[in-house]
Amino acid sequence: KQEVTQIPAALSVPEGENLVLNCSFTDSAIYNLQWFRQDPGKGLTSLLLIQSSQREQTSGRLNASLDKSSGRSTLYIAASQPGDSATYLCAVRRDDKIIFGKGTRLHILP
Amino acid sequence: EAGVTQFPSHSVIEKGQTVTLRCDPISGHDNLYWYRRVMGKEIKFLLHFVKESKQDESGMPNNRFLAERTGGTYSTLKVQPAELEDSGVYFCASSPYLGYGYTFGSGTRLTVV
Repeated sequence: KQEVTQIPAALSVPEGENLVLNCSFTDSAIYNLQWFRQDPGKGLTSLLLIQSSQREQTSGRLNASLDKSSGRSTLYIAASQPGDSATYLCAVRRDDKIIFGKGTRLHILP
Repeated sequence: EAGVTQFPSHSVIEKGQTVTLRCDPISGHDNLYWYRRVMGKEIKFLLHFVKESKQDESGMPNNRFLAERTGGTYSTLKVQPAELEDSGVYFCASSPYLGYGYTFGSGTRLTVV
């Protein structure tokens, strides 16, 4: 059974710092991995999608890596801003469904 | 293009009542999914439609939940009768084909009192 774990559960950092969010999954037989952002009371916004054959994806200040063999992914946020405050969710796709982690609540201190 | 739209955004109902949630996927997306997040837990899969057919409904919690997708367009998720433990946020997502990323709606926050 696929399980997705995100560490840490919550994180507070001063504005301007670089930070890393971690995601691990138990079954390496995944189709792809997707990082989402959720703002309070809002839906899920897709940030980055990494196919199983890829090692990383970048979008602006965000960089996500995937090590399928070890069951790990990281989301790197450079030069954090208060607007980055949100919950970040990691999800792996297996078959026709995706399995989510519980998320990391990120708070960027102005 | 318009995104995935969900109605209503919030619903508060009494235990035993019926509630119907609606999802309008992105036009042309054959794959439609329902997920939900209950308090303190991770978002979990409920079911998957391919056009109007249920491809996988293994995540549906019990027979009080009924999902339909009329003509392969919008989908409804009915809870009848609602129980307290049904409270949570129900998300809908769509995807044009397998392997493509999901686009999620804003969710419906359901509160059963």
